[in-house]
Amino acid sequence: SYELTQTPSVSVSPGQTASITCSGDKLGDKYVCWYQQKPGQSPVLVIYQDSKRPSGIPDRFSGSKSGNTATLTISGTQPMDEADFFCQVWDSNIIFGGGTKLTVL
Amino acid sequence: EMQLVESGGGLVQPGGSLRLSCEASGFSFSNYWMSWIRQAPGRGLKRVANIKFDGSETEYEDSVKGRFTISRDNAKNSLYLQMNSLRVEDTAVYYCARDTYCGSGCFPFDPWGQGTQVTVSS
Repeated sequence: SYELTQTPSVSVSPGQTASITCSGDKLGDKYVCWYQQKPGQSPVLVIYQDSKRPSGIPDRFSGSKSGNTATLTISGTQPMDEADFFCQVWDSNIIFGGGTKLTVL
Repeated sequence: EMQLVESGGGLVQPGGSLRLSCEASGFSFSNYWMSWIRQAPGRGLKRVANIKFDGSETEYEDSVKGRFTISRDNAKNSLYLQMNSLRVEDTAVYYCARDTYCGSGCFPFDPWGQGTQVTVSS
């Protein structure tokens, strides 16, 4: 079955840029979504179709993809951005990555 | 504002049953596929079931086939998940989510409900 791989944890200082990656076989042929899940809350869609932002999502969140790796970039990271982030694709079924814990310290 | 509100979770013994409900508001519920997605403790996300906008098609993750049944009542803007023969490994937070479509192979979930905890333990 298809798998998405994410780095378990990423740390960043406030104001710096955070990069969270998601890799998978032939990921370039698939559309990637990203979700942010703050502690004790439900996931929120922050990026869809690789790089599009839903309304209400700050423009410091951006998505890109190169080859078999998709990247969620948070520019000017704020303490409020600390959360778990999950990538998701469709490969005959919905597939989620294992998640990356972003720590802002 | 779009909103999904789940209810029905709780503590149940192995082999028992629970029925989860999800009430939708702020969008045309009857126009969308809907999903139940679960998150086991300290683990990732997995969709367990989804249902077509008119209820005519359903899909299940292999581990719940034959035990879980997804249904909907569009007149009540409500989604349900009947869970039978529950196992310890079904313990998770269960979210309902709206399926959206943004092109071939593009299926984001937006929004999600707040989740309801299901604990299967003796």
